Amino acid sequence: ETGVTQTPRHLVMGMTNKKSLKCEQHLGHNAMYWYKQSAKKPLELMFVYSLEERVENNSVPSRFSPECPNSSHLFLHLHTLQPEDSALYLCASSQVGDRNNEQFFGPGTRLTVL
Amino acid sequence: DAKTTQPNSMESNEEEPVHLPCNHSTISGTDYIHWYRQLPSQGPEYVIHGLTSNVNNRMASLAIAEDRKSSTLILHRATLRDAAVYYCILTDNYGQNFVFGPGTRLSVLP
Repeated sequence: ETGVTQTPRHLVMGMTNKKSLKCEQHLGHNAMYWYKQSAKKPLELMFVYSLEERVENNSVPSRFSPECPNSSHLFLHLHTLQPEDSALYLCASSQVGDRNNEQFFGPGTRLTVL
Repeated sequence: DAKTTQPNSMESNEEEPVHLPCNHSTISGTDYIHWYRQLPSQGPEYVIHGLTSNVNNRMASLAIAEDRKSSTLILHRATLRDAAVYYCILTDNYGQNFVFGPGTRLSVLP
């Protein structure tokens, strides 16, 4: 595997379910991000982990719970979601201090909440 | 709120140059200007970035106004594969807190 991978690619869940999204980066980066992309809305930054410490929350509802067990893995735990949470969830990674500060994005998980 | 404004959409013919504008009148002295693009059904990808001087790379060129209140992404010869949404983003030196706007949807006509 290379770059940033996300699993699953598609997820359908009910409002009472608990599920988790997984992201893995194979680039040796020290920062990881979760973004949400709703239909007809710009990408929204949800969470930032830098050196495995969360540095940004951006007022995301508590039904979204991130976890970063090490610098290569990032999870987004979901529980009691609402239909309006249906969106494309994108993970990204970067190397803080790198000359380009380039963020590398995964392909995303398409989430549908019924 | 996004600190940049871009046209909602633009069209280009294949093999012709494309100039994608971005206004960022409230840019601070330490903000970098980043451009990303999002191809259909993919996550965004880095295109180019700059601070004050014009920049060139294998994908595109970035022209930055002298007062830094606007910039232009230049694709020298558009191809059908360049059809995407292009985002202009301001960020600090650490490049972590990206605020995406709606971007410009570029259509390339054969």
